[in-house]
Amino acid sequence: NAGVTQTPKFQVLKTGQSMTLQCAQDMNHEYMSWYRQDPGMGLRLIHYSVGAGITDQGEVPNGYNVSRSTTEDFPLRLLSAAPSQTSVYFCASSYSGVSSSGANVLTFGAGSRLTVL
Amino acid sequence: GENVEQHPSTLSVQEGDSAVIKCTYSDSASNYFPWYKQELGKRPQLIIDIRSNVGEKKDQRIAVTLNKTAKHFSLHITETQPEDSAVYFCAASRLNRDDKIIFGKGTRLHILP
Repeated sequence: NAGVTQTPKFQVLKTGQSMTLQCAQDMNHEYMSWYRQDPGMGLRLIHYSVGAGITDQGEVPNGYNVSRSTTEDFPLRLLSAAPSQTSVYFCASSYSGVSSSGANVLTFGAGSRLTVL
Repeated sequence: GENVEQHPSTLSVQEGDSAVIKCTYSDSASNYFPWYKQELGKRPQLIIDIRSNVGEKKDQRIAVTLNKTAKHFSLHITETQPEDSAVYFCAASRLNRDDKIIFGKGTRLHILP
């Protein structure tokens, strides 16, 4: 049981390049989400998904795309990287929609540090 | 959409004293309020959460209180210890609707020797 696995851990991009941050979980969680963490800005929600085939925008979705073709995977795509997207990205997942202990508790991945030059 | 405000941004307390972090939320439909702790270089982890059908919850030295009328909730840490030094995030969510979890900007807690 690996939990939430994010790859890569570190990435340097040039402005205008595209890339995909991978996120996989092996806990059969329905809910998956992506956050970015910047100094003094907390954790800001980029996109989230409540199940396979369903995605929705969070607080800061511009410049990012997601898809959810399987329960396990939730990749985040940067279409044309900009210096403002330099950040640490966290993927997180949880059980959802169940009012019982343990539901909605986010399990975070280790994070991916992205630098855009 | 939901907006979560968190204060203070930085807090220093003497070891053994209590620490209080306060949050307000804007969406009256929010019904789930977790608190996460992030140690330096680590990923955030849940320390305590509260649902809107209760006003207070305790777990050893940590407690959370919720005032639904005023739309604010607080984290209380008693008898602080060096290992309590970390960044703490409050959050709010509407369970069984969209389930998305919106975080505050965080409080950096320093425990002074």
